[in-house]
Amino acid sequence: RKEVEQDPGPFNVPEGATVAFNCTYSNSASQSFFWYRQDCRKEPKLLMSVYSSGNEDGRFTAQLNRASQYISLLIRDSKLSDSATYLCVVNPPESYQKVTFGTGTKLQVIP
Amino acid sequence: GAVVSQHPSWVICKSGTSVKIECRSLDFQATTMFWYRQFPKQSLMLMATSNEGSKATYEQGVEKDKFLINHASLTLSTLTVTSAHPEDSSFYICSARQGWREASSYNEQFFGPGTRLTVL
Repeated sequence: RKEVEQDPGPFNVPEGATVAFNCTYSNSASQSFFWYRQDCRKEPKLLMSVYSSGNEDGRFTAQLNRASQYISLLIRDSKLSDSATYLCVVNPPESYQKVTFGTGTKLQVIP
Repeated sequence: GAVVSQHPSWVICKSGTSVKIECRSLDFQATTMFWYRQFPKQSLMLMATSNEGSKATYEQGVEKDKFLINHASLTLSTLTVTSAHPEDSSFYICSARQGWREASSYNEQFFGPGTRLTVL
């Protein structure tokens, strides 16, 4: 099993739609989690951290399910500008262990 | 938010030459910096992790003698691609992390804008 798995997509959704991505991780001791957004030919930018209690920022909601070992990202009222690749990042329990990036889920919001 | 810069943003060089890429954390001290490589339409691939003042830890398959990493200060890390070849052409991205706290958003990485290397 891969350390971090994401559905590569692409997810093609119309403007205004709600879309959700999941990211599963294999190390149950993983500690902190993030969603990053990467636009084509650009560096990843932090979208939001994922806390045990969930995290909401405007149209974006991130949740953590430790029992099933996945994090999710929900985007409501999709905008054209949301089109990007969304990467989940899983931090290990110890600082000397490797941070793991998912391969990303590509989202295309269509008019 | 924290800012990480990279220089140069793009470089074209001849095969066999060496290229140095700088990564700087501008408004925070980075105890750990990471170097990634990304080929077109592929995901980020971690090349190495470097902690200030110590040797970098390279990922499997990454030649440490070819990709020299120096992390001499808390705000600067450099990656030197030695004797570059066309297959080294890629998008090189660094990231920096302030430190480490268990289960905390403090652990987030801040990315530089990347350096696009083309080796002719």
